[in-house]
Amino acid sequence: GQNIDQPTEMTATEGAIVQINCTYQTSGFNGLFWYQQHAGEAPTFLSYNVLDGLEEKGRFSSFLSRSKGYSYLLLKELQMKDSASYLCAVRAVTGGGNKLTFGTGTQLKVEL
Amino acid sequence: DGGITQSPKYLFRKEGQNVTLSCEQNLNHDAMYWYRQDPGQGLRLIYYSQIVNDFQKGDIAEGYSVSREKKESFPLTVTSAQKNPTAFYLCASSNPQRGAFFGQGTRLTVV
Repeated sequence: GQNIDQPTEMTATEGAIVQINCTYQTSGFNGLFWYQQHAGEAPTFLSYNVLDGLEEKGRFSSFLSRSKGYSYLLLKELQMKDSASYLCAVRAVTGGGNKLTFGTGTQLKVEL
Repeated sequence: DGGITQSPKYLFRKEGQNVTLSCEQNLNHDAMYWYRQDPGQGLRLIYYSQIVNDFQKGDIAEGYSVSREKKESFPLTVTSAQKNPTAFYLCASSNPQRGAFFGQGTRLTVV
């Protein structure tokens, strides 16, 4: 099976930088994804890592270490609209195809 | 425009009834998924399918059933055996580099 851990809640100040960590245990690893979800809405894609290292996309960056089973999402220049839940998801190859499993999400609150 | 469509957006069901949630995609994706989300919780995997006429149980499949007769369609039936069906249900199809594309979700309430 898969086990994905994220902090439940985080609070940060507008304009600051915040790092949201995700640790996982899985076999057949085939990629790690980060999503943003606002209350009552479907998740939207933020980033994808399948090789070790940092992927940067504007104010958002994501890092992966496969040997450590560890990823983080880095949000820079925080804005109030960044207040949302951030979901880490791990894709694994199984006998029946690609299984995509989500963590419980990290609720980020951005304050003035 | 390509996308993934779930219907209906809101659904009410009486206890003891089966209900089917629709999910259609025109993205030509092979993989499709169903998730359940409870208030303040993450997404839990119900079923997934990689190809037509094949599907796999996820982590919480009990009380649910699916079919994949066409590549574009992956309906989910919530049966009367599901003890606590009230939840937000999300369907997704998968792109290799972006993971899941989600529908708008169906909010099911048992009355």
